[in-house]
Amino acid sequence: DIQMTQSPSSLSASVGDRVTITCRASQTINTYLNWYQQKPGKAPKLLIFAASTLQSGVPSRFSGSGSGTDFTLAISNLQPEDFATYYCQHYYTLPRTFGQGTKLEIK
Amino acid sequence: QVQLVQSGAEVRKPGASVKVSCKASGYRFTGHYMHWVRQAPGQGLEWMGRTNPNNGDTDLAQKFQGRVTMTRDTSINTADMELTSLRIDDTAVYYCAREMQVTSVTAFLDFWGQGTLVTVAS
Repeated sequence: DIQMTQSPSSLSASVGDRVTITCRASQTINTYLNWYQQKPGKAPKLLIFAASTLQSGVPSRFSGSGSGTDFTLAISNLQPEDFATYYCQHYYTLPRTFGQGTKLEIK
Repeated sequence: QVQLVQSGAEVRKPGASVKVSCKASGYRFTGHYMHWVRQAPGQGLEWMGRTNPNNGDTDLAQKFQGRVTMTRDTSINTADMELTSLRIDDTAVYYCAREMQVTSVTAFLDFWGQGTLVTVAS
């Protein structure tokens, strides 16, 4: 199975900051990587697919990059509604494993 | 509009079984894989498997093989996930999610059910 490792596990930031979250795959996955946002008590929401394509309706302050084994989710000009937990998930093979999540908290 | 509506919360004793249902509407049910993902309290997302509503084929994560059955009923656009031999650590919110494939190299979960809490307690 492909293991997905996110870093950091948590981070604190302020409104208006720019943050980055990293996701590393245990083997190459090309760009077969999606990012999801989850708020407490809610289902996950798709943000980015294929490593860098923004899902319709997602603000442009979110961006994704990377290929192979290393990927990044960047959020610029943090807004109050962005404080949530973020997960990466690969779809290169089965099983479609998720990263362990990164909790973004308000400083 | 696409909607996935799941069945309500369940409480079971260890060793019992539970079936969670996911009713789809607003799209062609047989045209999209349905995935199941669970989340234990305070924990991350865990991919369980997926089913092909067109032919009923399933792919399961190894840890769930032998305990999970995924089925579908195309007459009522519903996908089900049954988990047997329940343990305390199966307590989690279980989600169904639709897979969308835009091209041969893209696949993502674009619509999710609201989640079903399954509590396993003696």
